[in-house]
Amino acid sequence: GESVGLHLPTLSVQEGDNSIINCAYSNSASDYFIWYKQESGKGPQFIIDIRSNMDKRQGQRVTVLLNKTVKHLSLQIAATQPGDSAVYFCAERGRGYQKVTFGTGTKLQVIP
Amino acid sequence: EAQVTQNPRYLITVTGKKLTVTCSQNMNHEYMSWYRQDPGLGLRQIYYSMNVEVTDKGDVPEGYKVSRKEKRNFPLILESPSPNQTSLYFCASSLIVPVQNSPLHFGNGTRLTVT
Repeated sequence: GESVGLHLPTLSVQEGDNSIINCAYSNSASDYFIWYKQESGKGPQFIIDIRSNMDKRQGQRVTVLLNKTVKHLSLQIAATQPGDSAVYFCAERGRGYQKVTFGTGTKLQVIP
Repeated sequence: EAQVTQNPRYLITVTGKKLTVTCSQNMNHEYMSWYRQDPGLGLRQIYYSMNVEVTDKGDVPEGYKVSRKEKRNFPLILESPSPNQTSLYFCASSLIVPVQNSPLHFGNGTRLTVT
């Protein structure tokens, strides 16, 4: 498959444990944030998103937390499974803009 | 099946030889975009389109052209490819400009090598 990056920050987690992937964003005017998952050989896949008027949003096994004070976004994955191994990207969209800006990614390795 | 389709998946070419990477979506999406992905730099936007005949530059548009003559297609054109355009390219689309309930859907990528 295609490699998505070299020297990415890597998070290693035991299967069944919870994972927390962090992301710092730069634009205080951003009003929409998204997490994507990218498996080897595939395009990024939408996981969950959150608007800036929210602090927390939950999906199936995933939770996104937004701290606007320190411009920090996190993705929590409950009961991590081997299929969660991938590169995870956070992305932001500036208010009034039509483009989405991506972070450089974090590699999640799940240890069986 | 709802999807974004890019072709080709792999392309090796030589400097200066014009090429086109096609992108098609079957979801009636208004918004389409091209990204390139390079190690350590993440995904960077090349061009985007809000609708038919409406295109605009992203962060790294130099050396690329796009067109949006039909809603479903958004080809990426490299008139005179150079080695620094060797990269992994992704096309994406969303119902409207990316907002909640209108996330970007990505194709599976085109690996381009320019020698």
